[in-house]
Formats: sequence, C-alpha cells, structure tokens
Amino acid sequence: DGGITQSPKYLFRKEGQNVTLSCEQNLNHDAMYWYRQDPGQGLRLIYYSQIVNDFQKGDIAEGYSVSREKKESFPLTVTSAQKNPTAFYLCASSKDARLNTEAFFGQGTRLTVV
Amino acid sequence: AQRVTQPEKLLSVFKGAPVELKCNYSYSGSPELFWYVQYSRQRLQLLLRHISRESIKGFTADLNKGETSFHLKKPFAQEEDSAMYYCALGGDSWGKLQFGAGTQVVVTP
Repeated sequence: DGGITQSPKYLFRKEGQNVTLSCEQNLNHDAMYWYRQDPGQGLRLIYYSQIVNDFQKGDIAEGYSVSREKKESFPLTVTSAQKNPTAFYLCASSKDARLNTEAFFGQGTRLTVV
Repeated sequence: AQRVTQPEKLLSVFKGAPVELKCNYSYSGSPELFWYVQYSRQRLQLLLRHISRESIKGFTADLNKGETSFHLKKPFAQEEDSAMYYCALGGDSWGKLQFGAGTQVVVTP
C-alpha cells in the first residue's frame, strides 16, 4: 500500500524534552514537507526538503530541526526550545520541484506537552 | 510576502443549495492556486488546482487575478461535501505552499 506514513499518531512529551516525529514515504517523491496545524490558523510550514541531504526553513522553523538522510524519510525533532509545541503535525510529500505538483499528506501526529 | 485569506471559518448550507467558499490571496507574481479538502477521519488531499481548469466532485474554482480571488463553488451541495476546505497558494519560491486558515463546511439535509 503506497503512501506517506506518520508515527506515532499521538505523542505526549514532558516539558524540557526533545521528541522526534517520524515521516516515511514509499512514493519515490523527491520533496517532503512538515506543517503545523493549529485551530483557526490553517497549516504553517515548518521545514521542507527538495532532495536528499538538503532542507530549508519554512515560516516557523524556530525550535524545530529535521534531517533528510534518505529519500523516503524526513523526521522532525521538536526541541525544548519550541515555546508552544502542543499541536497537530502534518507531513507531506510531492513528486518533484514543480509548483503545481500535488502534495500528498500523512495522517498526522498530535503532540501534547504535559 | 504571500498570504491567503479565507474569511469564513464555518459555512452551513442545506443539501441542494449552492455553496461558495471564498479565498483571496496576496502575491505580486504569477500565482499557483489549489483547493485541498479534509473529510472527517481522512487525510488532507488535493481537490483541484487552477491550472487544470477542471471540475472535481461538482466543484469549480476560477482564478480572478483582478480581484486576487480563487473562490470554490458548487451549484448543489451534497451531505458528503461536509469537510474542512483549505485554499493554498504557491509562488513565492519552490514548494512553499501557503495555506489559508480553512473553512468548515456543514451540509444539512
């Protein structure tokens, strides 16, 4: 079954701890993205990667880090520096760098800081 | 800077009535515009894109550069159209899809 998989679905973190969200795709897509979804604010871009071993900051990158060591994987680390980490996180991928390429989304991870 | 505005947080319509979701954008270049939809318990997915000029599930959207709008329309709403709809703009640089805040559509019988 091809697609994009995020894990875990729910994640709880204590304040001051780093946590890593997983995102894997088997669509052979070059581009991958991380968005944060908050009520009333839509989706905001955290980081994106056009190709393996390359990634760029999005609009709200502070307090987050990513890596792209493999084409199919784009993990997101929420660090203790992120002031308001409780949110719903969405990972997406698209075939290539063209703007009108469709983005495919994962099911999301809901992170709660306790 | 690019920005997308969806002024309605919630749109409630009766089955069979027309529905129009508003989307306005701010961008100085040539925009690429999309509508994405999220049905209950499903993934966010592409509904349509302006470059295709197509009708999907009875929905159409026309890019109006003069009014900087990309409103989504359907002449006769169905209950299965109940979902969250996001307007998205691409254009600033590669891959940076800018999303609006979203409009929740509820179609009642």
